[in-house]
Amino acid sequence: DIQMTQSPSSLSASVGDRVSITCRASQTIKRYLNWYQQKSGKAPKLLIYGASNLQSGVPSRFSGSASGTDFTLTISSLQPEDFATYYCQQSHTSPFTFGPGTKVDT
Amino acid sequence: EVQLLESGGGLVQPGGSLRLSCAASGFSFHTYGLNWVRQAPGKGLEWVANIIGNGGMSDYADSVKGRFTISRDNSKNTLYLQMNSLRADDTGVYYCAKEDNYGYEAFEIWGQGTMVTVSS
Repeated sequence: DIQMTQSPSSLSASVGDRVSITCRASQTIKRYLNWYQQKSGKAPKLLIYGASNLQSGVPSRFSGSASGTDFTLTISSLQPEDFATYYCQQSHTSPFTFGPGTKVDT
Repeated sequence: EVQLLESGGGLVQPGGSLRLSCAASGFSFHTYGLNWVRQAPGKGLEWVANIIGNGGMSDYADSVKGRFTISRDNSKNTLYLQMNSLRADDTGVYYCAKEDNYGYEAFEIWGQGTMVTVSS
């Protein structure tokens, strides 16, 4: 199975900060990497698909990039509604594994 | 509006069975692959199973293989997860999720989830 790791596991930030979260795959997944945001008690929400494509309706302050098996989610200017947990997921090979998550708080 | 609505969760004893349902609306149901994803209390997301649009192929996480069965009824726009031989570590919120039409199989739409508790 493809293992997904994320760093950091948590981070503290303030409104207006630029935030970056890294995800690494244990083997090549091309660009089959997706990012989700989950708020407490709610279902996850797709933010980025295919490593760098912004899902419809998601603010443009979210962006994704890729370099080999390393992927990055960036929030250019953190907003109050962005405090949440973020998960990466590979959809290249079954089982479609998720990363362990990164919690963004104040 | 595209919607997924899970039901069927509840409290079940270890070794018991439960069937979850996911009712879909607002999209061409038979066209899309569908997935079940679960989340144990306080833990991360775990992919459980998926099934292609015509129901002809499915796949499972090793942790549920041989115990869970995913199926769909395209005439009723409904996805199912039959769960047998349930264990305490199957406890969690179970979400159904619709794949995208971009070719990346990202989980574009999620239901609100249904809670399954396995305990004596």
